[in-house]
Amino acid sequence: EIVLTQSPGTLSLSPGERATLSCRASQSVSSRYVAWYQQKPGQAPRLLIYGASNRATGIADRFSGSGSGTDFTLTISRLEPEDFAVYYCQHYGTSPPRYTFGQGTKLQIK
Amino acid sequence: QVQLQESGPGLVKPSGTLSLTCAVSSGSISSPKWWSWVRQPPGKGLEWIGEIYHTGNTNYSPSLRSRVSISLDKSKNQFSLMLTSVTAADTAVYYCVRESTYGSSIDYWGQGTLVTVSS
Repeated sequence: EIVLTQSPGTLSLSPGERATLSCRASQSVSSRYVAWYQQKPGQAPRLLIYGASNRATGIADRFSGSGSGTDFTLTISRLEPEDFAVYYCQHYGTSPPRYTFGQGTKLQIK
Repeated sequence: QVQLQESGPGLVKPSGTLSLTCAVSSGSISSPKWWSWVRQPPGKGLEWIGEIYHTGNTNYSPSLRSRVSISLDKSKNQFSLMLTSVTAADTAVYYCVRESTYGSSIDYWGQGTLVTVSS
Protein backbone atom coordinates (compact mmCIF):
# COMPACT_ATOMS: atom_id res chain seq x y z
CA GLU A 1 0.00 0.00 0.00
CA ILE A 2 1.25 3.44 -0.95
CA VAL A 3 1.82 5.89 1.91
CA LEU A 4 1.72 9.60 1.14
CA THR A 5 3.61 12.02 3.38
CA GLN A 6 2.84 15.71 3.06
CA SER A 7 5.08 18.53 4.19
CA PRO A 8 5.07 20.86 5.89
CA GLY A 9 2.29 20.03 8.31
CA THR A 10 1.47 23.72 8.64
CA LEU A 11 2.52 26.55 6.37
CA SER A 12 2.13 30.16 7.47
CA LEU A 13 2.16 32.72 4.66
CA SER A 14 0.68 36.08 3.77
CA PRO A 15 -1.74 36.91 0.94
CA GLY A 16 0.18 37.57 -2.25
CA GLU A 17 2.97 35.14 -1.37
CA ARG A 18 3.76 31.90 -3.16
CA ALA A 19 2.91 28.59 -1.49
CA THR A 20 4.70 25.34 -2.21
CA LEU A 21 3.22 22.15 -0.75
CA SER A 22 4.94 18.80 -1.00
CA CYS A 23 3.66 15.23 -1.22
CA ARG A 24 6.03 12.28 -1.13
CA ALA A 25 4.99 8.73 -1.97
CA SER A 26 6.51 5.69 -0.26
CA GLN A 27 7.30 4.24 -3.68
CA SER A 28 7.29 5.47 -7.25
CA VAL A 29 3.80 6.05 -8.64
CA SER A 30 2.35 7.06 -11.96
CA SER A 31 1.68 10.77 -12.11
CA ARG A 32 -1.69 10.07 -13.74
CA TYR A 33 -2.85 8.74 -10.37
CA VAL A 34 -1.98 11.77 -8.22
CA ALA A 35 -4.54 14.41 -7.30
CA TRP A 36 -4.82 17.38 -4.95
CA TYR A 37 -7.80 18.65 -2.96
CA GLN A 38 -8.61 21.75 -0.93
CA GLN A 39 -10.77 21.53 2.17
CA LYS A 40 -12.19 24.45 4.11
CA PRO A 41 -13.66 24.11 7.62
CA GLY A 42 -17.06 22.46 7.62
CA GLN A 43 -16.91 21.70 3.90
CA ALA A 44 -16.20 18.67 1.77
CA PRO A 45 -12.90 18.55 -0.09
CA ARG A 46 -12.76 20.07 -3.58
CA LEU A 47 -10.75 18.61 -6.43
CA LEU A 48 -8.05 21.02 -7.60
CA ILE A 49 -5.57 18.96 -9.62
CA TYR A 50 -5.78 15.55 -11.27
CA GLY A 51 -3.12 13.61 -13.10
CA ALA A 52 -0.52 15.52 -11.06
CA SER A 53 -0.65 18.64 -13.21
CA ASN A 54 -4.12 19.13 -14.70
CA ARG A 55 -6.45 21.69 -13.22
CA ALA A 56 -10.01 20.54 -12.61
CA THR A 57 -12.90 22.49 -14.09
CA GLY A 58 -13.26 25.97 -12.63
CA ILE A 59 -9.97 25.98 -10.73
CA ALA A 60 -8.02 29.24 -10.88
CA ASP A 61 -4.77 29.20 -12.83
CA ARG A 62 -2.79 30.31 -9.77
CA PHE A 63 -3.01 26.64 -8.74
CA SER A 64 -0.54 24.33 -10.42
CA GLY A 65 0.72 20.82 -9.84
CA SER A 66 3.92 19.11 -10.81
CA GLY A 67 6.08 16.14 -10.03
CA SER A 68 6.84 12.56 -10.90
CA GLY A 69 8.05 9.36 -9.33
CA THR A 70 7.80 9.84 -5.58
CA ASP A 71 7.74 13.64 -5.30
CA PHE A 72 4.79 15.86 -6.17
CA THR A 73 4.15 19.54 -5.56
CA LEU A 74 1.16 21.82 -5.41
CA THR A 75 2.02 25.46 -6.01
CA ILE A 76 -0.22 28.45 -5.42
CA SER A 77 1.44 31.32 -7.23
CA ARG A 78 -0.10 34.27 -5.38
CA LEU A 79 -2.18 33.52 -2.33
CA GLU A 80 -5.68 34.92 -2.14
CA PRO A 81 -7.52 35.14 1.21
CA GLU A 82 -9.81 32.28 0.17
CA ASP A 83 -6.85 29.93 -0.38
CA PHE A 84 -6.15 29.46 3.32
CA ALA A 85 -7.36 25.92 3.95
CA VAL A 86 -6.15 22.35 4.33
CA TYR A 87 -4.72 20.63 1.26
CA TYR A 88 -4.58 16.88 0.66
CA CYS A 89 -2.73 14.88 -1.94
CA GLN A 90 -4.23 11.61 -3.10
CA HIS A 91 -3.06 8.50 -4.92
CA TYR A 92 -5.35 6.23 -6.91
CA GLY A 93 -4.56 2.58 -6.58
CA THR A 94 -5.30 0.08 -9.31
CA SER A 95 -6.30 -2.30 -6.51
CA PRO A 96 -7.80 -1.49 -3.10
CA PRO A 97 -7.36 0.73 -1.26
CA ARG A 98 -8.59 2.72 -4.24
CA TYR A 99 -7.84 6.17 -2.82
CA THR A 100 -5.03 6.90 -0.38
CA PHE A 101 -4.66 10.38 1.06
CA GLY A 102 -1.80 12.27 2.63
CA GLN A 103 -2.28 13.60 6.13
CA GLY A 104 -2.81 17.14 4.89
CA THR A 105 -1.02 20.50 4.95
CA LYS A 106 -2.73 23.36 6.72
CA LEU A 107 -2.12 26.65 4.96
CA GLN A 108 -2.74 29.46 7.41
CA ILE A 109 -2.49 33.23 7.34
CA LYS A 110 0.72 34.61 8.79
CA GLN B 1 -24.12 19.01 -11.81
CA VAL B 2 -24.43 15.75 -9.86
CA GLN B 3 -25.56 16.19 -6.26
CA LEU B 4 -25.03 13.72 -3.44
CA GLN B 5 -26.81 13.75 -0.09
CA GLU B 6 -26.02 11.49 2.84
CA SER B 7 -28.64 10.47 5.38
CA GLY B 8 -28.80 8.21 8.39
CA PRO B 9 -28.54 8.12 12.18
CA GLY B 10 -26.07 10.53 13.73
CA LEU B 11 -25.56 8.35 16.78
CA VAL B 12 -24.76 4.64 16.87
CA LYS B 13 -24.06 2.50 19.93
CA PRO B 14 -20.76 0.63 20.28
CA SER B 15 -20.90 -2.85 18.72
CA GLY B 16 -23.88 -1.72 16.65
CA THR B 17 -24.21 -1.22 12.90
CA LEU B 18 -23.73 2.09 11.11
CA SER B 19 -26.08 2.50 8.14
CA LEU B 20 -26.00 5.43 5.74
CA THR B 21 -27.67 6.16 2.43
CA CYS B 22 -26.53 8.47 -0.35
CA ALA B 23 -29.21 9.94 -2.60
CA VAL B 24 -27.99 10.92 -6.05
CA SER B 25 -29.69 13.71 -7.96
CA SER B 26 -29.05 15.40 -11.30
CA GLY B 27 -27.30 12.22 -12.35
CA SER B 28 -27.88 8.49 -12.60
CA ILE B 29 -26.50 5.83 -10.32
CA SER B 30 -26.57 3.64 -13.43
CA SER B 31 -23.92 5.71 -15.21
CA PRO B 32 -20.57 3.91 -15.69
CA LYS B 33 -18.89 5.44 -12.65
CA TRP B 34 -17.61 4.20 -9.30
CA TRP B 35 -19.46 5.49 -6.25
CA SER B 36 -17.54 5.51 -2.97
CA TRP B 37 -17.70 6.25 0.73
CA VAL B 38 -14.91 8.28 2.37
CA ARG B 39 -14.72 9.17 6.05
CA GLN B 40 -12.91 11.77 8.12
CA PRO B 41 -12.56 11.51 11.92
CA PRO B 42 -12.91 14.88 13.64
CA GLY B 43 -9.77 16.94 13.10
CA LYS B 44 -8.08 14.20 11.09
CA GLY B 45 -7.47 13.13 7.51
CA LEU B 46 -9.45 11.29 4.85
CA GLU B 47 -9.93 7.52 4.64
CA TRP B 48 -11.46 5.66 1.70
CA ILE B 49 -13.92 2.97 2.80
CA GLY B 50 -15.09 1.29 -0.37
CA GLU B 51 -16.79 1.65 -3.74
CA ILE B 52 -19.53 0.23 -5.92
CA TYR B 53 -19.94 0.24 -9.70
CA HIS B 54 -23.24 0.59 -11.51
CA THR B 55 -23.10 -3.16 -12.17
CA GLY B 56 -23.02 -3.84 -8.43
CA ASN B 57 -19.33 -4.79 -8.32
CA THR B 58 -17.70 -3.68 -5.08
CA ASN B 59 -14.23 -3.07 -3.66
CA TYR B 60 -13.42 -2.40 -0.03
CA SER B 61 -10.54 -1.05 2.01
CA PRO B 62 -8.47 -3.99 3.26
CA SER B 63 -8.56 -2.54 6.78
CA LEU B 64 -12.38 -2.47 6.87
CA ARG B 65 -13.31 -5.31 4.52
CA SER B 66 -14.50 -7.66 7.25
CA ARG B 67 -17.02 -5.10 8.55
CA VAL B 68 -18.22 -3.13 5.53
CA SER B 69 -20.84 -3.61 2.85
CA ILE B 70 -21.92 -1.22 0.09
CA SER B 71 -25.05 -1.75 -1.96
CA LEU B 72 -26.96 -0.08 -4.79
CA ASP B 73 -30.66 0.70 -5.23
CA LYS B 74 -31.21 1.73 -8.82
CA SER B 75 -34.95 2.20 -8.35
CA LYS B 76 -34.24 4.95 -5.80
CA ASN B 77 -31.06 6.23 -7.45
CA GLN B 78 -29.08 5.74 -4.27
CA PHE B 79 -26.36 3.66 -2.69
CA SER B 80 -25.78 2.64 0.89
CA LEU B 81 -23.09 1.85 3.44
CA MET B 82 -23.22 -0.61 6.29
CA LEU B 83 -20.43 -0.88 8.84
CA THR B 84 -20.78 -3.47 11.57
CA SER B 85 -19.29 -3.85 15.05
CA VAL B 86 -18.56 -0.15 15.35
CA THR B 87 -16.35 1.39 18.01
CA ALA B 88 -15.47 4.95 18.96
CA ALA B 89 -12.75 4.82 16.30
CA ASP B 90 -15.50 4.79 13.68
CA THR B 91 -16.72 8.23 14.76
CA ALA B 92 -16.28 10.42 11.72
CA VAL B 93 -17.86 12.57 9.06
CA TYR B 94 -18.93 10.18 6.31
CA TYR B 95 -18.95 11.42 2.72
CA CYS B 96 -20.47 9.76 -0.30
CA VAL B 97 -18.54 10.60 -3.43
CA ARG B 98 -18.29 9.89 -7.14
CA GLU B 99 -15.30 9.08 -9.30
CA SER B 100 -14.35 12.09 -11.36
CA THR B 101 -14.96 12.61 -15.05
CA TYR B 102 -11.17 12.55 -15.45
CA GLY B 103 -10.79 9.24 -13.62
CA SER B 104 -8.44 8.44 -10.75
CA SER B 105 -9.86 11.18 -8.50
CA ILE B 106 -13.10 12.38 -6.93
CA ASP B 107 -15.03 15.31 -8.31
CA TYR B 108 -18.39 15.07 -6.55
CA TRP B 109 -18.77 14.97 -2.79
CA GLY B 110 -21.81 14.98 -0.55
CA GLN B 111 -21.86 17.54 2.24
CA GLY B 112 -20.95 14.84 4.74
CA THR B 113 -22.74 13.53 7.79
CA LEU B 114 -21.26 13.16 11.26
CA VAL B 115 -21.76 9.77 12.85
CA THR B 116 -20.83 9.46 16.51
CA VAL B 117 -20.33 6.07 18.14
CA SER B 118 -21.24 6.36 21.78
CA SER B 119 -23.44 4.71 24.35
